[in-house]
Amino acid sequence: GAVVSQHPSRVICKSGTSVKIECRSLDFQATTMFWYRQFPKQSLMLMATSNEGSKATYEQGVEKDKFLINHASLTLSTLTVTSAHPEDSSFYICSADANLAGGSYEQYFGPGTRLTVT
Amino acid sequence: LAKTTQPISMDSYEGQEVNITCSHNNIATNDYITWYQQFPSQGPRFIIQGYKTKVTNEVASLFIPADRKSSTLSLPRVSLSDTAVYYCLASSTGGGNKLTFGTGTQLKVEL
Repeated sequence: GAVVSQHPSRVICKSGTSVKIECRSLDFQATTMFWYRQFPKQSLMLMATSNEGSKATYEQGVEKDKFLINHASLTLSTLTVTSAHPEDSSFYICSADANLAGGSYEQYFGPGTRLTVT
Repeated sequence: LAKTTQPISMDSYEGQEVNITCSHNNIATNDYITWYQQFPSQGPRFIIQGYKTKVTNEVASLFIPADRKSSTLSLPRVSLSDTAVYYCLASSTGGGNKLTFGTGTQLKVEL
C-alpha cells in the first residue's frame, strides 16, 4: 500500500520557539494532505486540509497564524508550530489522499510526530 | 459527515472472535464505512472498507446490513497484538474528503 512518512518522529523544543514537521507521500502524489492533532487518551482531531499549490483550509478553532501549513509539492506538506507553548505538546499526525485504481481515494496516515514543548 | 457511535471499550481473550459494532444512523448514500486500527504513538492503519453486505480480507470481516445504519467489524481469533483502538468512520471515497474520528473502541486482549 501507499506509504506516508513524517519527520521528525519526536521533537522537544523550548517554549517560544518554532518547530517544523514534514509529511511526505513516498510512492504516490497527493494533491490533498490532512493534519491532525491527538492528545493523550483522545481521538484524532482534524486541524487543517493542505492543498498543493493553494492555501490550507483550517478547521474552526485552529489558528492559521500559529499552525502554518505549506504544501509546496505533490509529495510534501509541512506544518510549522510557531511560538510553541507547553499546551501545544501533542501527537501530530498527517494523512495523504491516494488516488486508487477505479477512481476512488483512500487516506493513508503517517506514523505521527510527538511534540513536547518545555 | 455522518457521525458514528461505538462502544468505548471491549475486553477479550486470545483466540476469541471479537465483534465491534458501529452505529451510523445518518449515513449518506455515497458514504463508505472504513475501519482503522491505532496503536499507541502510531498513526491509524487501514483495516477494511465496505459499502454494504459483507467484505472480508486477510485480517477482518465487515458486516453491513441492508439499511446501512450500522456495521460490525469482526476480528477472528484475536491475539495480544490486536490490543489497540479501533475507529469506525463513514465518508465518501472522493478526493479531499475530511475524516471525522469518533471516540473509537479500545480493545484489550488478555491471555
